[in-house]
Amino acid sequence: DGGITQSPKYLFRKEGQNVTLSCEQNLNHDAMYWYRQDPGQGLRLIYYSQIVNDFQKGDIAEGYSVSREKKESFPLTVTSAQKNPTAFYLCASSIFYQSYNEQFFGPGTRLTVL
Amino acid sequence: GENVEQHPSTLSVQEGDSAVIKCTYSDSASNYFPWYKQELGKGPQLIIDIRSNVGEKKDQRIAVTLNKTAKHFSLHITETQPEDSAVYFCAASSMYSGGGADGLTFGKGTHLIIQP
Repeated sequence: DGGITQSPKYLFRKEGQNVTLSCEQNLNHDAMYWYRQDPGQGLRLIYYSQIVNDFQKGDIAEGYSVSREKKESFPLTVTSAQKNPTAFYLCASSIFYQSYNEQFFGPGTRLTVL
Repeated sequence: GENVEQHPSTLSVQEGDSAVIKCTYSDSASNYFPWYKQELGKGPQLIIDIRSNVGEKKDQRIAVTLNKTAKHFSLHITETQPEDSAVYFCAASSMYSGGGADGLTFGKGTHLIIQP
């Protein structure tokens, strides 16, 4: 089955630690995205990547970093510089060559800072 | 940048009745408007979308309308069923004719509750 996988489903982190969230897709999509979801806030864009080895900051990139070394993978690192990292993180992907932006989401990772 | 407002934040309807969720957007360049449904603990799933060259689109019990002049679009669900209970998000984006990806700007979501 084609789709997007995120791991782990739940993640706990101590303050001051960096943590990396995994996102893999086998849909052969060029574009990938990371969103953060907080209660009552909707989804906010952290980073996106249109193609391998390229990525752009979204609306709330501070305290986060990404890499896109492979088409299938777009890991997100939550650094110690992120002041309030506890949230639900969603990864998504979309076809690049078509001129619309239908996005397919993974199941999410819930990060809790202890 | 784009700003999307979504109302109401919570909507409770009787099973079998209709539900309407409304969104407004600020950027006149936005031309793609998807709606996502998110069930508890899961990622959002696209249920319907509309592009700015049409005013209405239907898919069985779900329909979306778009008023470009007023910059608002709405989701209509008829004959609601218990499985329609979820959080619904509207979003807006600009599609580029030459291809290209950009992040969607989402509304804050509507928690739809279907009362039995």
